Amino acid sequence: QKEVEQDPGPLSVPEGAIVSLNCTYSNSAFQYFMWYRQYSRKGPELLMYTYSSGNKEDGRFTAQVDKSSKYISLFIRDSQPSDSATYLCAMSASTFGNEKLTFGTGTRLTIIP
Amino acid sequence: DGGITQSPKYLFRKEGQNVTLSCEQNLNHDAMYWYRQDPGQGLRLIYYSQIVNDFQKGDIAEGYSVSREKKESFPLTVTSAQKNPTAFYLCASSIVRGRGTNEKLFFGSGTQLSVL
Repeated sequence: QKEVEQDPGPLSVPEGAIVSLNCTYSNSAFQYFMWYRQYSRKGPELLMYTYSSGNKEDGRFTAQVDKSSKYISLFIRDSQPSDSATYLCAMSASTFGNEKLTFGTGTRLTIIP
Repeated sequence: DGGITQSPKYLFRKEGQNVTLSCEQNLNHDAMYWYRQDPGQGLRLIYYSQIVNDFQKGDIAEGYSVSREKKESFPLTVTSAQKNPTAFYLCASSIVRGRGTNEKLFFGSGTQLSVL
């Protein structure tokens, strides 16, 4: 079983819809949670960064962490064609730095105009 | 503009050949990383370096080598010992604030390596 599970998709939704992307994990020591967005044949860029449980909002994006269920989500409101990309979750335990980040496989998202 | 530059964008390797992927950053970051990305798999760490002249193996270092002679540069050599080198290679950098912190990773645009 992988430490981080992420549905690879592909996921296609119409423009303006609310998108929900999810990851589950098995390591209860994970406390730092990140979402990266990766356009085709480009490097990922950090979208959201959360610590421990709770919600964090940034514009149309909301990151949600439920440590009791070992489940994290990224919600995109009013989705735009420019949101079409692969979304990677990443997480780590508090005692380690970036060298111990564990990435999900990524979910490919397409927003249909 | 500050950023990370990877070259070349596409690279082809013949059997038995070593190839070197370039990674340069002008962000003044201390830490640099090499990841490999395969379809259906998450990013996997090959090597990382937190200071000049020092580097550490990641999860899949076999068949790869690196050097860190300058703060700005972290080249990756894919040796002939790497039997399955076809992948998208990503270089990243970050600041190093202290143990137990996850600073934002800045990624380059990647190099697609294929075997002829």
